[in-house]
Amino acid sequence: EAGVAQSPRYKIIEKRQSVAFWCNPISGHATLYWYQQILGQGPKLLIQFQNNGVVDDSQLPKDRFSAERLKGVDSTLKIQPAKLEDSAVYLCASRPQGGYTGELFFGEGSRLTVL
Amino acid sequence: AQSVTQPDIHITVSEGASLELRCNYSYGATPYLFWYVQSPGQGLQLLLKYFSGDTLVQGIKGFEAEFKRSQSSFNLRKPSVHWSDAAEYFCAVAPSTGTASKLTFGTGTRLQVTL
Repeated sequence: EAGVAQSPRYKIIEKRQSVAFWCNPISGHATLYWYQQILGQGPKLLIQFQNNGVVDDSQLPKDRFSAERLKGVDSTLKIQPAKLEDSAVYLCASRPQGGYTGELFFGEGSRLTVL
Repeated sequence: AQSVTQPDIHITVSEGASLELRCNYSYGATPYLFWYVQSPGQGLQLLLKYFSGDTLVQGIKGFEAEFKRSQSSFNLRKPSVHWSDAAEYFCAVAPSTGTASKLTFGTGTRLQVTL
């Protein structure tokens, strides 16, 4: 079974530029998450999708971050314009439909450096 | 609001020695509790979880954790550490009611194993 795919793995941009990250969850997983992991900190939830609907985006900085999951499968997270403090690893995770197991399946992450 | 504290930022143990990583949580009731491991350049992988019942839970790779309600703790243990266990370990908590899939992570403990 293929895992959660993310791209690009690494991205370096100047501040005020834009960037987009892509995630393809495990096939059949209805729930998809984007987490931000700043160096030295634990992952912080940015947004949670259930199929193509947003369940929780309370911690997403909506003035600069946006995310979509139009067909309920893959998802894109965009940052525009980027700030220095956005330097982090962006982790995508997915969870299958059904009873809550507590197990999220994580991708390897996309590391963003903002100069 | 729920929170997780991992008091040890960095721990070094010798291969073959025992290991205990500390985790304390703050939550109004008994939450769901998890330990995840993140190897360098990899995504997070679930080691074990506690929902209810037996307070000593077994996980993958020979890890176990004990839930102590009186101490609000969920410490991770392994009797004999292998060099491949070197990684970052995250404790996480999720509410047992409501949005049960919303994980809050601690800041992590980096484990170094000396040969």
